[in-house]
Amino acid sequence: DAGVTQSPTHLIKTRGQHVTLRCSPISGHKSVSWYQQVLGQGPQFIFQYYEKEERGRGNFPDRFSARQFPNYSSELNVNALLLGDSALYLCASSPRRAFYEQYFGPGTRLTVT
Amino acid sequence: DAKTTQPNSMESNEEEPVHLPCNHSTISGTDYIHWYRQLPSQGPEYVIHGLTSNVNNRMASLAIAEDRKSSTLILHRATLRDAAVYYCILSKSGGSNYKLTFGKGTLLTVNP
Repeated sequence: DAGVTQSPTHLIKTRGQHVTLRCSPISGHKSVSWYQQVLGQGPQFIFQYYEKEERGRGNFPDRFSARQFPNYSSELNVNALLLGDSALYLCASSPRRAFYEQYFGPGTRLTVT
Repeated sequence: DAKTTQPNSMESNEEEPVHLPCNHSTISGTDYIHWYRQLPSQGPEYVIHGLTSNVNNRMASLAIAEDRKSSTLILHRATLRDAAVYYCILSKSGGSNYKLTFGKGTLLTVNP
């Protein structure tokens, strides 16, 4: 079975620009979560979506938004990019909202210059 | 969220057992203990989780102290592929459990 896939793999953007990151969960998984991982730190929770609704939000500014589609894939959008948004963005899927196992994708490496 | 404390780094030799400790003295009765690991240039990978009893799976064993204030992840025979950052995480059970709060984890080095 295919794991969680994310696109693109790498991305370079300029300050002030907008970016869209995409995630496809494992088939049958209805929950998708997004995490940001800055170099040298553990991943930090951004959002969880379950059944196309936002179920949880971390401590991130409103420049960060996401949505989940009917096929359970998801997009993470970041507006007005800052240098500090440079990070690895991870997507994780789980079969249930109240999960005990999350399956992570390889991540998208975003560099803001 | 209840916090966990892990050593910054540990070292092991190949084919020897590894015991990775985690302290969580403020754990509540509804907190699950999760372990994830992250290999270089990859996303985190689920290892094991438990609530009160010791747990075993094909990857590792989780030993939970009787008072649940600490736990130990046991890799029975370390291989070079086990070199990774290991995260010990607590999360609530039930409907409110929607996120994992990662710390800095333990960097495990495995020597050949």
